[in-house]
Amino acid sequence: GAGVSQSPRYKVAKRGQDVALRCDPISGHVSLFWYQQALGQGPEFLTYFQNEAQLDKSGLPSDRFFAERPEGSVSTLKIQRTQQEDSAVYLCASSLGGSVGTDTQYFGPGTRLTVL
Amino acid sequence: ILNVEQSPQSLHVQEGDSTNFTCSFPSSNFYALHWYRWETAKSPEALFVMTLNGDEKKKGRISATLNTKEGYSYLYIKGSQPEDSATYLCACMDSNYQLIWGAGTKLIIKP
Repeated sequence: GAGVSQSPRYKVAKRGQDVALRCDPISGHVSLFWYQQALGQGPEFLTYFQNEAQLDKSGLPSDRFFAERPEGSVSTLKIQRTQQEDSAVYLCASSLGGSVGTDTQYFGPGTRLTVL
Repeated sequence: ILNVEQSPQSLHVQEGDSTNFTCSFPSSNFYALHWYRWETAKSPEALFVMTLNGDEKKKGRISATLNTKEGYSYLYIKGSQPEDSATYLCACMDSNYQLIWGAGTKLIIKP
């Protein structure tokens, strides 16, 4: 079946622009995660949804970052007034159930955001 | 907040040789450990999820062990092949149920 997809794969934004990154999880997956990966580092947790509920947004670095999953499937990560430090790969993952600790997370290919 | 360390950062291995690398994490408040394999231009692929001290899991030529009391996991690859070239990431679940990731071990298999 289809895996997790993300779009766009690459995004170049001018500093101050708003961007929206999309994640299509595996159909039927309850949990959805967003991660940010800076060059040379491991992914860092941003936020987590269970169905449409955003249960944890403690990793969002500032109030310029906003995520939603209104119908419990597709999710959008929005970054307002982008800054150069926002340049990173943004990964989305989904998992089947609500057992966040032990469920396997299935990842999309990521969106590479470059802010000039 | 957990700090997950992986070593070495990178590793060059001759094709056919076996290799292993380490993931270290604080042993307190441990919940679960995940191993992922990430090839360039592809999505990270789940290898193992481990929870119990002494756990050992195997998938083909790749296996992993877990020691929660001393806070480490080893990933082993037997008879390395060129297709094993990738970055191997471990991630530890903390008591807040967030995955804390290491920076990865980049494995390069030389033919």
